[in-house]
Amino acid sequence: GENVEQHPSTLSVQEGDSAVIKCTYSDSASNYFPWYKQELGKGPQLIIDIRSNVGEKKDQRIAVTLNKTAKHFSLHITETQPEDSAVYFCAASIGVQGAQKLVFGQGTRLTINP
Amino acid sequence: DTGVSQNPRHKITKRGQNVTFRCDPISEHNRLYWYRQTLGQGPEFLTYFQNEAQLEKSRLLSDRFSAERPKGSFSTLEIQRTEQGDSAMYLCASTETASTDTQYFGPGTRLTVL
Repeated sequence: GENVEQHPSTLSVQEGDSAVIKCTYSDSASNYFPWYKQELGKGPQLIIDIRSNVGEKKDQRIAVTLNKTAKHFSLHITETQPEDSAVYFCAASIGVQGAQKLVFGQGTRLTINP
Repeated sequence: DTGVSQNPRHKITKRGQNVTFRCDPISEHNRLYWYRQTLGQGPEFLTYFQNEAQLEKSRLLSDRFSAERPKGSFSTLEIQRTEQGDSAMYLCASTETASTDTQYFGPGTRLTVL
């Protein structure tokens, strides 16, 4: 089955700097790769996603890149702000009877230092 | 659109007791997913419904676990004879149609088994 590895487990950056989180996946059949942000006591919130037919996607300060050959994808956050502090999860998805079953990485705790 | 809601938000029970959680998906979302999240880990897929039909169950879903979605709207997850290892956050997510992959998560139910 699919396995997703996420690094680093913790990341601390100065406000205004960039943060990069990397994930690798094992199943070449995976075709959908979302990133979620989870704040304390809340459920995961989708921040950006990418499909296997696209190599890069950007939404304001957030971007995701996908390398299908190497089976890895990355989240890039630029001009970080204190409110970006949270736990971030990557996920890879394989279609299951038409639906997408998400397999998540272990998470990255991002801390933005003012 | 009020988002995915889950009740209760917190549940403390003694080992051996039965517990039931409820998930109300976003209105007219016909796909509903249950995930379990233990401390410091990413969510793990448990089961998935397409309307009222339960189409896949993870091996994590032992015979003490049962999920239903009787009218294709809300869903319940019951755990019988709870064990301390069942302590976790139980998350529900829903998806609008077969053409979209985005899963919207609820706030979760945190279960503590004493």
